[in-house]
Amino acid sequence: AQKVTQAQTEISVVEKEDVTLDCVYETRDTTYYLFWYKQPPSGELVFLIRRNSFDEQNEISGRYSWNFQKSTSSFNFTITASQVVDSAVYFCALTLPFSGGYNKLIFGAGTRLAVHP
Amino acid sequence: ETGVTQTPRHLVMGMTNKKSLKCEQHLGHNAMYWYKQSAKKPLELMFVYNFKEQTENNSVPSRFSPECPNSSHLFLHLHTLQPEDSALYLCASSQDLQLTPLHFGNGTRLTVT
Repeated sequence: AQKVTQAQTEISVVEKEDVTLDCVYETRDTTYYLFWYKQPPSGELVFLIRRNSFDEQNEISGRYSWNFQKSTSSFNFTITASQVVDSAVYFCALTLPFSGGYNKLIFGAGTRLAVHP
Repeated sequence: ETGVTQTPRHLVMGMTNKKSLKCEQHLGHNAMYWYKQSAKKPLELMFVYNFKEQTENNSVPSRFSPECPNSSHLFLHLHTLQPEDSALYLCASSQDLQLTPLHFGNGTRLTVT
């Protein structure tokens, strides 16, 4: 069975602090994809990144970076120099590419990040 | 308008009412989805449509009835709901079913009294 665990329910930081959101996944398949989505207070989920299981290179996009480690089945997300606008719920998700041939994302429970001025 | 638009934003209904949620996407996508987001539970996929055809019903109770008249519009018809159905209902779309990113609407916050 596939599962995504985000053990941190809520994180509170002060602006300019770095923060890491943890994501641990379970799957027996060797081919899979991992995602991060952001859900601001307005409600809509915003796509941040997709990573396939064969690409373990870390990725950096501005203040965002992702650390994918297959050895520990983790796909952690770090925000450097956090800002108030980063306050949101962040979801990690997993999908298998041929599980019915569609985007059947398995989401974690989410981590609520509060960045205070 | 661009993106995925959901109406209404908020809905309060009694258990005997019949109401509908509407979703419209202006992205030219071919796949549309309904997700349910309850407090303290992960996002749950409810239905998937591809080119207007339903490809997934994730064991959703029959009191939820989806309708997809075309690739741009998706409805969720509600009748005789239960209080535990209170949740945020999110619509999403994607170019196709093959791992293209999902674009979500703002959701409809449903309260069943």
